[in-house]
Amino acid sequence: DSGVTQTPKHLITATGQRVTLRCSPRSGDLSVYWYQQSLDQGLQFLIQYYNGEERAKGNILERFSAQQFPDLHSELNLSSLELGDSALYFCASSPDVAYEQYFGPGTRLTVT
Amino acid sequence: AQKVTQAQTEISVVEKEDVTLDCVYETRDTTYYLFWYKQPPSGELVFLIRRNSFDEQNEISGRYSWNFQKSTSSFNFTITASQVVDSAVYFCALSEALLTGNQFYFGTGTSLTVIP
Repeated sequence: DSGVTQTPKHLITATGQRVTLRCSPRSGDLSVYWYQQSLDQGLQFLIQYYNGEERAKGNILERFSAQQFPDLHSELNLSSLELGDSALYFCASSPDVAYEQYFGPGTRLTVT
Repeated sequence: AQKVTQAQTEISVVEKEDVTLDCVYETRDTTYYLFWYKQPPSGELVFLIRRNSFDEQNEISGRYSWNFQKSTSSFNFTITASQVVDSAVYFCALSEALLTGNQFYFGTGTSLTVIP
């Protein structure tokens, strides 16, 4: 158990809908990262937050947004969902930027 | 172009054999970090090692060892005396520093199967 929690574990929704994925980092970790893992794209870095501030953006679509709250938990919002958004979404946390990341169990999103 | 290349898509070995997983990276930064992660069938990603670009010392941790060579931009991972529990997908990753944070690039992974 990495200490990073993600909810929900599974999510099934329809195209065009909006969902919110939630992540609680390990105790003491200030940095949170979001990743998307799909069969065709592999593991893609989406976005990084540190102590509530956005620090780096990767291949995150404009339909996706994220934030990190004062209690350090983070949410990833996915809107106008398409079939291709079906993937495993991981959250990870680390004490600081560029440190080793500890990954949560992931949220499996299925868009039908 | 791929920032991190793991040319071996799948490898099968018999238990107790040694196996090396290759990782080649590409960066123009002088300061960067390299990582290896393991993803067992359960799906969770497990951190194995982090290396910064200024530390080329090889590292050994039990049956695991890592060979970092800046001259060839490689960061290879060797499992000695493999065991069935080593069966997993292994990812190599590169982190490049930005002004405010870090960009992360993962390789496509090498699926290792250890046959009993």
